[in-house]
Amino acid sequence: NAGVTQTPKFQVLKTGQSMTLQCAQDMNHNSMYWYRQDPGMGLRLIYYSASEGTTDKGEVPNGYNVSRLNKREFSLRLESAAPSQTSVYFCATRGTGDLGGGFSGANVLTFGAGSRLTVL
Amino acid sequence: SQKIEQNSEALNIQEGKTATLTCNYTNYSPAYLQWYRQDPGRGPVFLLLIRENEKEKRKERLKVTFDTTLKQSLFHITASQPADSATYLCAPLNTGFQKLVFGTGTRLLVSP
Repeated sequence: NAGVTQTPKFQVLKTGQSMTLQCAQDMNHNSMYWYRQDPGMGLRLIYYSASEGTTDKGEVPNGYNVSRLNKREFSLRLESAAPSQTSVYFCATRGTGDLGGGFSGANVLTFGAGSRLTVL
Repeated sequence: SQKIEQNSEALNIQEGKTATLTCNYTNYSPAYLQWYRQDPGRGPVFLLLIRENEKEKRKERLKVTFDTTLKQSLFHITASQPADSATYLCAPLNTGFQKLVFGTGTRLLVSP
C-alpha cells in the first residue's frame, strides 16, 4: 500500500523551463491537494481538487496549473519556471478511512514524501 | 484575513519534561483542529484531531486542548523523548472544509 506517490523527488530547472509534478494515490480518496513549503512560510495551498473533474485555486495559484486526470492522479504544472518557485512541493489526499489510533473518517490529510524543485 | 499563529522559535526541552506548543487563530470559527508532525525531508503526518465541542483529547503521551473562546489550541507531549524532536503543525478546519490551511509550525528539540 503506497499511499501517496510523488514524482520526481528532485528536479533542477532553468528559468523559463516547464515541468510537471506527478501525484498518484491508491487510497481511493476524492480530494487531492498541492502545497508548497518554504522556510518560514509553512505549507501554502496552491490548488486542490474536491473530486475528479474539479479543481480550485488555493492561496498561491499564480504560475501553476493543475490537472485532475482521474480519481488517482493530480498533476501540477509549471509552464515557465521562475526562481521564486524554488520550493518543496507536497501532494496530499483527504478522505475517510481508518487512520489508526481510533480515528476513522476524520477528514485528515495524507501527504506524499515531497518533491524538491530548484529553479536557477 | 484568516491567520494561524504558531511560535516560530524552536522549543528546546530536556528529555522527560512536558512540551507545550501553542496554536492561535484569528478570523476562524473552526469546527475541528488538527495537529500534524513533520520530520525533516518528509511530508506531515496526522497526529490528532479535536472537535469544537471537545475540551481535550488524548492519545498515548499526546494531549490536545481546544479553547474556542481564546481561539487557541495547546498541544502537549508528556515524558518527552529525543524521538519526539520534529516540527508540529496545527490546522483549524471549518465544517465542510475543502481548503486545509496550516500554521507555520513549531520545531521541537528534545535533548537527552
